[in-house]
Amino acid sequence: SQKIEQNSEALNIQEGKTATLTCNYTNYSPAYLQWYRQDPGRGPVFLLLIRENEKEKRKERLKVTFDTTLKQSLFHITASQPADSATYLCALGAVSGGYNKLIFGAGTRLAVHP
Amino acid sequence: NAGVTQTPKFRVLKTGQSMTLLCAQDMNHEYMYWYRQDPGMGLRLIHYSVGEGTTAKGEVPDGYNVSRLKKQNFLLGLESAAPSQTSVYFCASSDTGRPQHFGDGTRLSIL
Repeated sequence: SQKIEQNSEALNIQEGKTATLTCNYTNYSPAYLQWYRQDPGRGPVFLLLIRENEKEKRKERLKVTFDTTLKQSLFHITASQPADSATYLCALGAVSGGYNKLIFGAGTRLAVHP
Repeated sequence: NAGVTQTPKFRVLKTGQSMTLLCAQDMNHEYMYWYRQDPGMGLRLIHYSVGEGTTAKGEVPDGYNVSRLKKQNFLLGLESAAPSQTSVYFCASSDTGRPQHFGDGTRLSIL
């Protein structure tokens, strides 16, 4: 069955360092991959989308890589700040039955300490 | 710009009771979705709609029904609530191939 894995343990880092979150998947060939941020008591908020033919995507302090051979995506936050503390969700996507089907990972909680 | 609005935000039900969760979006999106989020698990798709008047089953549809009579609204119904349906429910909307926009969820407890 399709499976998507993110580190279940929280990632604790010091302010100013680079945070790297991992998303691994099996038995799936996604057309694209998305990363979302979720704060406590709130819904997920879209951050970045990377397609299967793209190796890397950047947006301000965020960078996403997508390796379809390793079946892995890495999500980097450079110069991290306490305000970056949240849970980050990885979602694999493909167009299926006329809609963009997403399969979500359980998320990794990031805590950035001053 | 409200985006996606879910009502109610919290609800406690007794086993066997019924209720309807309402989702409204003001972005004129064609697609709408209902997910549930449980601890340690990813968001799981319950039902979705690709346009007004259409609905389809997702990954975990049992025990739920949906309706989309108007393009901007997507209703999720629980006919006979069970403790296993205790969860946080999220509604989302999108256009084709575009990222999904989520509401802030409904926290539902079934006693």
